[in-house]
Order: sequence, then structure tokens, then C-alpha cells
Amino acid sequence: KAGVTQTPRYLIKTRGQQVTLSCSPISGHRSVSWYQQTPGQGLQFLFEYFSETQRNKGNFPGRFSGRQFSNSRSEMNVSTLELGDSALYLCASSLQGLHYEQYFGPGTRLTVT
Amino acid sequence: EDQVTQSPEALRLQEGESSSLNCSYTVSGLRGLFWYRQDPGKGPEFLFTLYSAGEEKEKERLKATLTKKESFLHITAPKPEDSATYLCAVHNTDKLIFGTGTRLQVFP
Repeated sequence: KAGVTQTPRYLIKTRGQQVTLSCSPISGHRSVSWYQQTPGQGLQFLFEYFSETQRNKGNFPGRFSGRQFSNSRSEMNVSTLELGDSALYLCASSLQGLHYEQYFGPGTRLTVT
Repeated sequence: EDQVTQSPEALRLQEGESSSLNCSYTVSGLRGLFWYRQDPGKGPEFLFTLYSAGEEKEKERLKATLTKKESFLHITAPKPEDSATYLCAVHNTDKLIFGTGTRLQVFP
């Protein structure tokens, strides 16, 4: 069974720009969640989508948004990029939600200059 | 405030030298505790889920246990391929909260 895929794998953007990251979950998984990983803060939960609805949200500003499509694929958008947004962005999928094991993709490495 | 703390931050072991990693937590409404392994340049890989105090799970050289305040990941006779960062995560009512991880190095 194919794992979670994320595109692109690497991205370089300029401060003030916006970016969209994509995640394709494991087939049959209805929950997709997003995380930001940095050396200083570790892994932090951004939000979770289930059946096209945002079900849970972490403590990030409104510049971070997402959506989920009917085929469970998900996108995450960051507007007005700041230098501090440089991080590894990880997507994970699970059968039913955060109380089940999460299967992570390889991540998208975003660098903001 | 909900919090997850892992210790030690880093651990160096000789091959075959057993040890334990600690994950202590303070959360309201614990709905599950998870252990993940992360190799450099990769996403975390699921290891265990524990739901209630007293629960134990085992897989090869790893054993995870849970009490009301902490969880332990016991590594028995580790091998160099067990070298990785081990992450603990807690699910409260509406989010997953991760610890900062324990970086484990096992030397032959």
C-alpha cells in the first residue's frame, strides 16, 4: 500500500510571498493532519481535516490555512511568509483521527529568504 | 497548560546496553499516548499507542509502558540500527502535543 506523499519536497520562497503544499494520504484514510517541525520548537500541530472539514486546530496564526478535498487529499497554505516560517512541514494521515496512529509523509522543506 | 517533556535529550549506548527513555506529561483529558521513531531526513514512523495507565506494548527490542503521569520506552539489547530520535506525543481533546524527542545513538 502506497504511503503518504508530499509535494514539493523542497521549496525556497521570499519573505512576503505565499506558498501551497500538497499531501496525498494513504488510500482509505479520511483524516489528514499537518505539522511544523523546527530545531527550536520541535514538532507542532497545525490542524486536522476529516471528511473535508477542519476538525482541530493548533495555536498558529491565521496565515496558516488548509483544506481537504473529497478524495482526502489536502493542501496547506501559508500567506505572507516570514523568515520564521522556515521549517519542515509534515503531513500525516490516519483512519479516523488524532486518537489513531498517524502515518507521516517525508515532509516539505520550506526555506524563506 | 498541556505539556510533554522527554528525557534525556540525548543518549549514547553501547550495542547490547539496555536503557529507558522517559516521557512525562501534563494534559487535560488524555485520549492516547504515542511513540514514534524519526530518522534523519524522514517523517516520524509510528511505534506504539497506549490508551490507559498500566498498559504495555512490545515490538522486537522495544517495550512501551504508561502510568498516569509518564510513559517509558524501554530498549533491550539495542543495535546500531536502533539509532534515531524517539518522539512521544499525547492526544488531548483537540490536538496532538509532541515532546522534543530523545536522540539515541547506539555504537557497535
